[in-house]
Amino acid sequence: DVKVTQSSRYLVKRTGEKVFLECVQDMDHENMFWYRQDPGLGLRLIYFSYDVKMKEKGDIPEGYSVSREKKERFSLILESASTNQTSMYLCASSLTRAQPQHFGDGTRLSIL
Amino acid sequence: SQQGEEDPQALSIQEGENATMNCSYKTSINNLQWYRQNSGRGLVHLILIRSNEREKHSGRLRVTLDTSKKSSSLLITASRAADTASYFCATDSGAGSYQLTFGKGTKLSVIP
Repeated sequence: DVKVTQSSRYLVKRTGEKVFLECVQDMDHENMFWYRQDPGLGLRLIYFSYDVKMKEKGDIPEGYSVSREKKERFSLILESASTNQTSMYLCASSLTRAQPQHFGDGTRLSIL
Repeated sequence: SQQGEEDPQALSIQEGENATMNCSYKTSINNLQWYRQNSGRGLVHLILIRSNEREKHSGRLRVTLDTSKKSSSLLITASRAADTASYFCATDSGAGSYQLTFGKGTKLSVIP
């Protein structure tokens, strides 16, 4: 079974801090994704990556950046955290494009 | 951009009854997927139906797709308390797309 592991289930940070969310998958998947999930808004794609060192903006990339130095690891970076980035962050991976995505359990991030 | 929209937003049924959730989308697709999310967890892929398929079964799940109406339905038969979760449809944007667009979900409660 595919395992997607997010480094933290809960995280509390302060405004202005640089925040790193880490995601690791163990199935050699090409594609990795970062979403945020907010009540009433559903899942929204922040960034995705289809290969090492490759990245594409999703629907809401502002205030975020990503890094994919190794195939199995995809990091989401909040350059200067703000309170409106308080959310549930979900990482996912897929073998090829448009294939089912496998999700981690999410990181509930609070920015104070 | 929100492609899929689920209906109803919330559904409450007794154990043993069937549950039907609907999804409508706006543009042409290659495939449509359904996911389940238990409270506080990541999404789990349930079933994928391709645009040239009309119906697909997996255990107690039955999915239909009507591309002329741009709609899909998910039927869970003989529901169990463990089926309590939110259910999301997800669509791609057509050929060559990496991106899935998720609806806002249907929250299903199965009462024992």
